[in-house]
Amino acid sequence: DTGVSQNPRHKITKRGQNVTFRCDPISEHNRLYWYRQTLGQGPEFLTYFQNEAQLEKSRLLSDRFSAERPKGSFSTLEIQRTEQGDSAMYLCASSPEVGARDFFGQGTRLTVV
Amino acid sequence: SQQGEEDPQALSIQEGENATMNCSYKTSINNLQWYRQNSGRGLVHLILIRSNEREKHSGRLRVTLDTSKKSSSLLITASRAADTASYFCATTLMGGYNKLIFGAGTRLAVHP
Repeated sequence: DTGVSQNPRHKITKRGQNVTFRCDPISEHNRLYWYRQTLGQGPEFLTYFQNEAQLEKSRLLSDRFSAERPKGSFSTLEIQRTEQGDSAMYLCASSPEVGARDFFGQGTRLTVV
Repeated sequence: SQQGEEDPQALSIQEGENATMNCSYKTSINNLQWYRQNSGRGLVHLILIRSNEREKHSGRLRVTLDTSKKSSSLLITASRAADTASYFCATTLMGGYNKLIFGAGTRLAVHP
């Protein structure tokens, strides 16, 4: 069990630039989630994949956000035309089945300047 | 909107004392999980308690769940400075895709 891996750990970008984050879940986990956490708050759900299918998206996921999970393995989260309000920690989690515990990665901290 | 709310928002205690954090939620749940987060780091899973369970233990941690009151508590006994962190409860709803709905957390400071 190598755990959930997220890259990069930190990203500083200028407003208006595009950024992409990657999440590698635990290999046998078919369920993958993205969350966003702003300072002093709990994480908020962004989107859910079961294998390669994106089954749920939060209202928080504006048109500038897109997520993919090709072949049901790793996932990417892209933010286009970043805004200062996008500055947050982006967390990825995976789990093997309904009702099982979730395993979180260390997160990617995005700072938009 | 957030499903869960932790209470208190912040807690400051001395090493060796017990720390109790409470979590309330609004709608029926499938299970409830507690997580710890050190500043700027990822989430560490502590305990998962299912809706049909009332109490679980793990080392110095004790979690209770009262579904009639829609509330849970996390007790850390004999606290240590290393327990200093933010603690979050997160619920999964019945019939959903098991996404976690977090509260705003309790910030615990344990002083040597």
